[in-house]
This record gives sequence, structure tokens and C-alpha cells, in this order.
Amino acid sequence: AAGVIQSPRHLIKEKRETATLKCYPIPRHDTVYWYQQGPGQDPQFLISFYEKMQSDKGSIPDRFSAQQFSDYHSELNMSSLELGDSALYFCASSYWEGPGELFFGEGSRLTVL
Amino acid sequence: SQELEQSPQSLIVQEGKNLTINCTSSKTLYGLYWYKQKYGEGLIFLMMLQKGGEEKSHEKITAKLDEKKQQSSLHITASQPSHAGIYLCGAEKSGTYKYIFGTGTRLKVLA
Repeated sequence: AAGVIQSPRHLIKEKRETATLKCYPIPRHDTVYWYQQGPGQDPQFLISFYEKMQSDKGSIPDRFSAQQFSDYHSELNMSSLELGDSALYFCASSYWEGPGELFFGEGSRLTVL
Repeated sequence: SQELEQSPQSLIVQEGKNLTINCTSSKTLYGLYWYKQKYGEGLIFLMMLQKGGEEKSHEKITAKLDEKKQQSSLHITASQPSHAGIYLCGAEKSGTYKYIFGTGTRLKVLA
């Protein structure tokens, strides 16, 4: 069965550079969530989208922005990268009217040097 | 604010032993989800519990939600090295569309 696809899987950037992460949800899923997981920490909610509209916002820095496109894929844009942005970024998808469980991608590991 | 507390924080067991992980909420849960994360990898959905007193099993893992829907337990029978990882409980924060996670339990199974 198709799962949530994230790309790239690994990304290395310098401080003050920009990075873009992509997430392709499971087919027919209309809701996408982004999470950031720092080393040894639990996933922290960043932002979510339902039907291409932002549905909720968590602890997402102003330097970050995200959107969901008409094909339901989502992109997380991170600018002016800082060392502390080094983390595993997870995307999850769900079906809004479904039972509610999230299905996670394998994550994109961002390293900021 | 609603929080999910897990216990224990970490657990080291000998292969073949049984173990239990608990997840406690400060508010009534309307859906409790268990996930497993292998170190540095994605989260894998294990089970979902919605009704008070509900119990589900998959292979050697059993999850229960208490009648008051504020506590859930995850029980692993005859643990194996493949069970090692981080176990997270998750729930939708009531009144929002945010998904919150428990504090995590790091499990190591010694062969």
C-alpha cells in the first residue's frame, strides 16, 4: 500500500541558507501535518493543512512557511537556517473524516552546519 | 493544558519478558493512538482505541483504554529485540486539530 512520501530524506545546509521539504500524503488523504523532532526529543507539532487551507499552527518559527497544493502534497520552506533547526522533520497525513490516526512518512533529516 | 504522560520513560528488558507501558491524560481522551518509532526513523501506527474499556491486540502487543478514557496501557508479551524502539501515545488535543504526543518510552530488549 502507498505510504506517505517525504523528500529529500537527508539534507545538509549551511547557516542562513534556505531548505524546502516535500511531503506527498497517502492517496485520498486530505490533511497534512508537519512535525519537528530534535535529537532525543518527542515530535513537536509545527503546522497542519486541510483541503489546502491551514487548519492549525503550532510552534513553527516565523522563518518557516508551508503550504498544501491542489494535489494535496505539502511543502515546508525554511529560511535563514539556524543550527537549532537541525532535526528530523516528519510529515503525516490523514483523512479528515476518517478515524483520526495519522500515518507518518519516514522523515527528512536536516543538518545545518 | 492537556498533556499525555508516559511511564516508564525508559525500559530495558531481557528477551522473552513481558512489559507494560502506560499513558495517562489529564483530560478525557476521545481517541488514543499508539505509535512505535525505531531510533531515527519514522513513526509507525500500531493501534487506535476510542471506547472506554476497549482492548485491541496485534501479534504480541495488546493495548487497553480504561473506562474513564484517561489512561491507556500497552502490553508486550514475550518481548523480542525487534520490539526495541520508542513508543509514543498520541491523541487529538480536545477542541483543536492539534495532535499531541506522550513523553515517550524508550524500550531496549536484550538478546
